[in-house]
Amino acid sequence: RKEVEQDPGPFNVPEGATVAFNCTYSNSASQSFFWYRQDCRKEPKLLMSVYSSGNEDGRFTAQLNRASQYISLLIRDSKLSDSATYLCVVNNDRNAGNMLTFGGGTRLMVKP
Amino acid sequence: DVKVTQSSRYLVKRTGEKVFLECVQDMDHENMFWYRQDPGLGLRLIYFSYDVKMKEKGDIPEGYSVSREKKERFSLILESASTNQTSMYLCASSWGGTVADTQYFGPGTRLTVL
Repeated sequence: RKEVEQDPGPFNVPEGATVAFNCTYSNSASQSFFWYRQDCRKEPKLLMSVYSSGNEDGRFTAQLNRASQYISLLIRDSKLSDSATYLCVVNNDRNAGNMLTFGGGTRLMVKP
Repeated sequence: DVKVTQSSRYLVKRTGEKVFLECVQDMDHENMFWYRQDPGLGLRLIYFSYDVKMKEKGDIPEGYSVSREKKERFSLILESASTNQTSMYLCASSWGGTVADTQYFGPGTRLTVL
């Protein structure tokens, strides 16, 4: 079983739609969770951290469910510019927790 | 703004050649990382370093070595390149400490081994 699993997609949605991605992780000791965004042929960049209480940043909402070991990302009012691959990222507990494990990514395509 | 730079965007080498990939960060970060990214496999950690001259193996270190002689610079070395090392190589850096922190990535080097 992969340490961090995501549906690779692609998710094809029209502009203005709401779309949600889920991600599951296997290490119950993980403490830090993130969503990164990667545009085509570019490097990954941090989109948002995920906190236990859930957090929102504009149109983006991240939630964490520790009991079920999954993380979600909700995007409201999708824009064309949201088209990208979204990477679910979890820390692992090797070597003082500085290492991150990346999911394979979920590809989102927003159409006019 | 954090800046992580990599020496080449594209590189073509022949099987058996020694390959050096350089990464430099300008934010005085303690930690530096080398990943490779392949379709369907995502990002996989090759090596990381938490201090000058310190290194730790990641998930796929075979066929690679690293060097960190200065805090800002982390080099990935392919001693004898093979075709299965054709990939996108991404360097990243982050602050030190025991808490996993945001990693900042360089633009990547697309390496082709013929």
